[in-house]
Amino acid sequence: AQSVTQLGSHVSVSEGALVLLRCNYSSSVPPYLFWYVQYPNQGLQLLLKYTSAATLVKGINGFEAEFKKSETSFHLTKPSAHMSDAAEYFCAVSRGKAAGNKLTFGGGTRVLVKP
Amino acid sequence: DVKVTQSSRYLVKRTGEKVFLECVQDMDHENMFWYRQDPGLGLRLIYFSYDVKMKEKGDIPEGYSVSREKKERFSLILESASTNQTSMYLCASSRFRDYSTYEQYFGPGTRLTVT
Repeated sequence: AQSVTQLGSHVSVSEGALVLLRCNYSSSVPPYLFWYVQYPNQGLQLLLKYTSAATLVKGINGFEAEFKKSETSFHLTKPSAHMSDAAEYFCAVSRGKAAGNKLTFGGGTRVLVKP
Repeated sequence: DVKVTQSSRYLVKRTGEKVFLECVQDMDHENMFWYRQDPGLGLRLIYFSYDVKMKEKGDIPEGYSVSREKKERFSLILESASTNQTSMYLCASSRFRDYSTYEQYFGPGTRLTVT
């Protein structure tokens, strides 16, 4: 079975500082990995995805993530935080072809950006 | 632009009431999903449908049922609402057998309070 662990339910960063959100997964099949963002009072929006091509994936709004198979990790980074990055971020892993298009989500990390 | 809409943003119901949450997508997607979102637990899959009149239990189906009479519409039903069903409910859709991406598109969510 697949699972996702996001380290830190809350992260506080200063504006202009590095944003680093950690995601570790377990999967019995080659994984597809996703980061979604949820702004206040909105649904989830896809930030980026890894689908077995390049291990360094660039997404929207200056975010990127690196797939490291040996570490079973898919950490999300942004070099310089903006106030508009305040949101909740979810990491997700695919469950494999036999399970259809289902995803397993992590518990989420809420990001607070300080001026 | 892809769109998933949910019938209500906020809903307040009494214990024991029958509750219907509606979701409509305009992308001609085969797959539709219902999740509930609770702090620290991320998104948990309630039910999944891969075609009209087809449904499959997710990870936490107890106390819920679903209906899919038309391809674009997927309804979540709480037969007898209870206070432990107070939560944010998110609907999503995706293309059938799109194993290259597994990407899901989300609605804005319905925040349900059961008193």
